[in-house]
Amino acid sequence: EFVLTQSPANLSLSPGERVTLSCRASQRISNYLAWYQHKRGQAPRLLIYDASNRATGIPARFSGSGSGTDFTLTISSLEPEDFAVYYCQQRSIWPWTFGQGTKVEIK
Amino acid sequence: EVQLVESGGGLVKPGGSLRLSCAASGFTFSNAWMSWVRQAPGKGLEWVGRVKSIADGGTRDYAAPVKGRFFISRDDSKNSLYLEMDNLKTEDTAVYYCTSSATSCFTLCAFDIWGQGTMVTVSS
Repeated sequence: EFVLTQSPANLSLSPGERVTLSCRASQRISNYLAWYQHKRGQAPRLLIYDASNRATGIPARFSGSGSGTDFTLTISSLEPEDFAVYYCQQRSIWPWTFGQGTKVEIK
Repeated sequence: EVQLVESGGGLVKPGGSLRLSCAASGFTFSNAWMSWVRQAPGKGLEWVGRVKSIADGGTRDYAAPVKGRFFISRDDSKNSLYLEMDNLKTEDTAVYYCTSSATSCFTLCAFDIWGQGTMVTVSS
């Protein structure tokens, strides 16, 4: 069974801090990985597609890297509006799947 | 304005049926790969199913929990996507989102267009 594992599950941080979120795939998925930001009551927002490409309108403080099985989302300096749940998602193997999410909270 | 608007959610009894709709505007719907994603209360996101553009074959694929009960269709003349849900179970209770990659996932695949979601509650 294919699994995406995100770590950590929760983070408590202050505005201005640098954040690194991890996503590990149980099988190699090339670069077919996306990152989404999701806030309560809102639609998910695509941040990164195909591992390292920022979606239209996404600020430069968001960056993605990785290939194969290990991927990273980095937020260079947290803004107040960045506190949310972040999901990775693979499109290499059907069914497409999400990781379980990382919740980034205000410290 | 690029937009997806879902409708059709509501309360339904276990074993019942419901049809969700998603109206698209502001992009070339016929070229898009369309999907349904859901989020059950207190849970993470789950990809329910997808339909490719007609040019890419128009095939439909479903996640295991819904296969055989849910059916995705699209009407490119109406810029609309549908999700027919039959034999609903309590575990299908979720917010259902419609989402789109305006380009083919055989090339550049970016599900960057999302609706606001519609709530489906399955309860007796």
